[in-house]
Amino acid sequence: KQEVTQIPAALSVPEGENLVLNCSFTDSAIYNLQWFRQDPGKGLTSLLLIQSSQREQTSGRLNASLDKSSGRSTLYIAASQPGDSATYLCAVRASGSARQLTFGSGTQLTVLP
Amino acid sequence: EAGVTQSPTHLIKTRGQQVTLRCSPISGHTSVYWYQQALGLGLQFLLWYDEGEERNRGNFPPRFSGRQFPNYSSELNVNALELEDSALYLCASSLGRQGGETQYFGPGTRLLVL
Repeated sequence: KQEVTQIPAALSVPEGENLVLNCSFTDSAIYNLQWFRQDPGKGLTSLLLIQSSQREQTSGRLNASLDKSSGRSTLYIAASQPGDSATYLCAVRASGSARQLTFGSGTQLTVLP
Repeated sequence: EAGVTQSPTHLIKTRGQQVTLRCSPISGHTSVYWYQQALGLGLQFLLWYDEGEERNRGNFPPRFSGRQFPNYSSELNVNALELEDSALYLCASSLGRQGGETQYFGPGTRLLVL
């Protein structure tokens, strides 16, 4: 059974810092990995999707990397802003016909002005 | 382009009652997924529908059920509500088995069971 772990559970940084969020998964037979952002009481916003054949994806100040063999992904946020404050979730989709996502428990990020 | 929509936004029910939640996917998306986000338990997969068929279900009891309509909208039904069913229920859609993989989520329905 796939298990997804995110470390740290919470992170507080001053505005302008570059930061890294970590995600690990136990079964390397994944189809893709997706990073989401969730604001309090709201739904999820998709940030980046990395296919299993890819090493990284970039969107603006966000860069996500994937090392499938070691079961790890990182989300790098450059020049953090208070508006980046949210919970960040990573989710993996297993190889094969099942398309549902298995989520980590998230990292709650607070960027202080 | 409209995103995934869900209704209602909030619901309060009592134990033993039944509830129906609704989801409209992004236009052109044929796959709909339902997830439960209960306090302290994280996001758990409930059901996946594609082209009107249930394709997979998570580790939830049979009182959680649903369906997908010809227009690809979906309903999630929960019978005999229990206190632990209190959660945010999220619906997501994607292009389906022949298309893109990104799942796009709706704002959710928050269910409180008293």
